[in-house]
Amino acid sequence: DSGVTQTPKHLITATGQRVTLRCSPRSGDLSVYWYQQSLDQGLQFLIHYYNGEERAKGNILERFSAQQFPDLHSELNLSSLELGDSALYFCASSVGQPGETQYFGPGTRLLVL
Amino acid sequence: AQSVTQLDSHVSVSEGTPVLLRCNYSSSYSPSLFWYVQHPNKGLQLLLKYTSAATLVKGINGFEAEFKKSETSFHLTKPSAHMSDAAEYFCVVSRDNYGQNFVFGPGTRLSVLP
Repeated sequence: DSGVTQTPKHLITATGQRVTLRCSPRSGDLSVYWYQQSLDQGLQFLIHYYNGEERAKGNILERFSAQQFPDLHSELNLSSLELGDSALYFCASSVGQPGETQYFGPGTRLLVL
Repeated sequence: AQSVTQLDSHVSVSEGTPVLLRCNYSSSYSPSLFWYVQHPNKGLQLLLKYTSAATLVKGINGFEAEFKKSETSFHLTKPSAHMSDAAEYFCVVSRDNYGQNFVFGPGTRLSVLP
């Protein structure tokens, strides 16, 4: 158990809908990262927050957004969902220093029908 | 820009034989390098990490990796495979600048035959 929690574990929704994925980092970690894992794209970095502020963006679509709250949990919002958004979404956390280990949550499996 | 190449998409070994999973990286910085493992329907677990302290890094479950700067490689090895090692393995390079973001390789699926 990495200490990173993600809810829900599974999510089934329809095209055009909006969903929110939630992540709680390990105690003491200030950085939260979101990744998308799909069969065709592999594991891709989406976005990084540190202590409530956005620090870096990767291959995140404009339909997706995220935030990190004062208690350091984070939410990833996915809107106008398309079939191709079906994937496993991972959250990871770290203390926030360069080159550190990131600890991954169990993931949320999203299926868009 | 950082990138990672994992030379084999699938490796199959017999139980008790050595494991070699190959990784080459490209980085414009002095990289931090990681190996993560993902068992079926599970999250990613850190196996080991290189951060310039020692070129031979020992990890969990008997795995180790050697950083070779001249070859830009970070291959993962284990002397004797166990059935429980069957999983997907990812080589990762981290930018050690402000962004601290991970770049994942495409993964190598390890099968262990009885």
